[in-house]
Amino acid sequence: KAGVTQTPRYLIKTRGQQVTLSCSPISGHRSVSWYQQTPGQGLQFLFEYFSETQRNKGNFPGRFSGRQFSNSRSEMNVSTLELGDSALYLCASSLDTRTLGTQYFGPGTRLTVL
Amino acid sequence: AQTVTQSQPEMSVQEAETVTLSCTYDTSENNYYLFWYKQPPSRQMILVIRQEAYKQQNATENRFSVNFQKAAKSFSLKISDSQLGDTAMYFCAFMAENKLIFGTGTLLAVQP
Repeated sequence: KAGVTQTPRYLIKTRGQQVTLSCSPISGHRSVSWYQQTPGQGLQFLFEYFSETQRNKGNFPGRFSGRQFSNSRSEMNVSTLELGDSALYLCASSLDTRTLGTQYFGPGTRLTVL
Repeated sequence: AQTVTQSQPEMSVQEAETVTLSCTYDTSENNYYLFWYKQPPSRQMILVIRQEAYKQQNATENRFSVNFQKAAKSFSLKISDSQLGDTAMYFCAFMAENKLIFGTGTLLAVQP
């Protein structure tokens, strides 16, 4: 079974621009979560989607948003990019038969903001 | 607030030796999962092992095992017969409400 895929793998943007990252979960997985990884802040939870609904949200500004489609694929969007948004963005999917489920990660998207 | 603490920023072990990585957590939840993930230089986050809090038996996966002490809120990872491919950053993570909270990681170097 194919793993979690993320596109693109690398992105370079300038301050003020916006960016959209995509995540395709493992087939059959209905929950998709997003995390930001930086050297200074470590791994931080952004949000989680299940059945096209945002079920949980981390402590990030409104510039960070996401959505999930009927096929469980998810996108996250960052508007008005800042230098501090440079990070590895990781997507994870889980079966989510209950509220706890093992999350499997994709390879990440490395975003650089200049 | 739920927190995860990994007090060992870096560790080194000789190939074929055994090493233990420490992790403590704080929560008032009664139903939760604990995980160890590894992140090699390729940056792909890989699941190593999982422990359900309601299970008293420690989880094992081949060379990897955990020592789960629920009362002490401790969750250490033991790697037996260390291999060069085990070189990676290891993250301890706590899950509640389908959200993972990660520790700061332990960089493990396996020396030949």
